Amino acid sequence: AQRVTQPEKLLSVFKGAPVELKCNYSYSGSPELFWYVQYSRQRLQLLLRHISRESIKGFTADLNKGETSFHLKKPFAQEEDSAMYYCALTSNRDDKIIFGKGTRLHILP
Amino acid sequence: NAGVTQTPKFQVLKTGQSMTLQCAQDMNHNSMYWYRQDPGMGLRLIYYSASEGTTDKGEVPNGYNVSRLNKREFSLRLESAAPSQTSVYFCASSTGGVGEKLFFGSGTQLSVL
Repeated sequence: AQRVTQPEKLLSVFKGAPVELKCNYSYSGSPELFWYVQYSRQRLQLLLRHISRESIKGFTADLNKGETSFHLKKPFAQEEDSAMYYCALTSNRDDKIIFGKGTRLHILP
Repeated sequence: NAGVTQTPKFQVLKTGQSMTLQCAQDMNHNSMYWYRQDPGMGLRLIYYSASEGTTDKGEVPNGYNVSRLNKREFSLRLESAAPSQTSVYFCASSTGGVGEKLFFGSGTQLSVL
């Protein structure tokens, strides 16, 4: 069964400090991983996806198949990064997209 | 630039009442989804539709039914609402296929008393 685990409900980081949001997954096949973000009073939106290996707003994520992880990183946190972040997984077998429980990132001034 | 449109935005129901949440997308997307968002539980998939005429259960389908009326519209029905269905409901769509991103609606806040 597909499963996405985000171990931290809340992460507080000082502005300018590095950020790492953890995501681990469980899937027997070949997954595709995403990070979605929900800013206050805005719709959920894609932040980045593994398949395109992009860097958005300074965030990057590397798929580590050995550790089944897709942690989200940013070297220097900014106040506007405060938001709810969701890791998500899909497969090449069907169109089902499963999300983790989310991590609220709070950037301290 | 409508994208994914959900109606209503807010709804209060009494236990046992029924209602349908509507969702429409104007991006010619093949796949559509219904999620519920609850504090501490994240986003959980209720049902999805990979193409017009098909629907599949997600993680938490009990108590819900869906209809993919046409390519644009995907409705979610609560036949007999329960307090446990109090949640924020999100509809989303994508072109379909591996790695394609979801476009979300603005959500429906539902309270069941």
